Amino acid sequence: GENVEQHPSTLSVQEGDSAVIKCTYSDSASNYFPWYKQELGKGPQLIIDIRSNVGEKKDQRIAVTLNKTAKHFSLHITETQPEDSAVYFCAASMRLSDGATNKLIFGTGTLLAVQP
Amino acid sequence: GAVVSQHPSRVICKSGTSVKIECRSLDFQATTMFWYRQFPKQSLMLMATSNEGSKATYEQGVEKDKFLINHASLTLSTLTVTSAHPEDSSFYICSARVPVTWTYNEQFFGPGTRLTVL
Repeated sequence: GENVEQHPSTLSVQEGDSAVIKCTYSDSASNYFPWYKQELGKGPQLIIDIRSNVGEKKDQRIAVTLNKTAKHFSLHITETQPEDSAVYFCAASMRLSDGATNKLIFGTGTLLAVQP
Repeated sequence: GAVVSQHPSRVICKSGTSVKIECRSLDFQATTMFWYRQFPKQSLMLMATSNEGSKATYEQGVEKDKFLINHASLTLSTLTVTSAHPEDSSFYICSARVPVTWTYNEQFFGPGTRLTVL
């Protein structure tokens, strides 16, 4: 079945440095790749996403890249701040049997700690 | 826009009782909602996909008679944990898919419900 691997599981950086989280997926039919930030005790918050017809997308300090051939996608956070500390999840879409609905398969998460 | 609420945020119940969790899309109509369960320090595990007006589709290994899902309107889905036991204690999170006319596939999550079964 569909599988999404995420690395690293924990990442500690100094404030101002960059952070990179990488994911790989197995289903070549996946066409939507969101990234979520989850703070302790809260629900995941969509921070950026990318579709399979695009190779890169940027939103201020956050960027996502997608390599469809290699089935890799990555999250890049520049100029990290302490408030960026959280668990980050990648996800890949998977088509359900009804042919119209997509579900998300989540990676295992990365605990990012930004040290002031 | 795209706000999803959940109620209650926390619930503590005795073993054997049933608990209902509500998920609402506040500013959009969601034909599809999803229910996830998350154990401490783990990822989100999809339990079921809920389509308005039809039966939910459960993931393999999820007991449909134990986790009852109702999606009676375009803004409300409910998850009822029946005869709850301590092993059902978890963080339950719903998400709602935005209308296809907005963008494709985006899901927005609720704040989650912490269930503790004594």
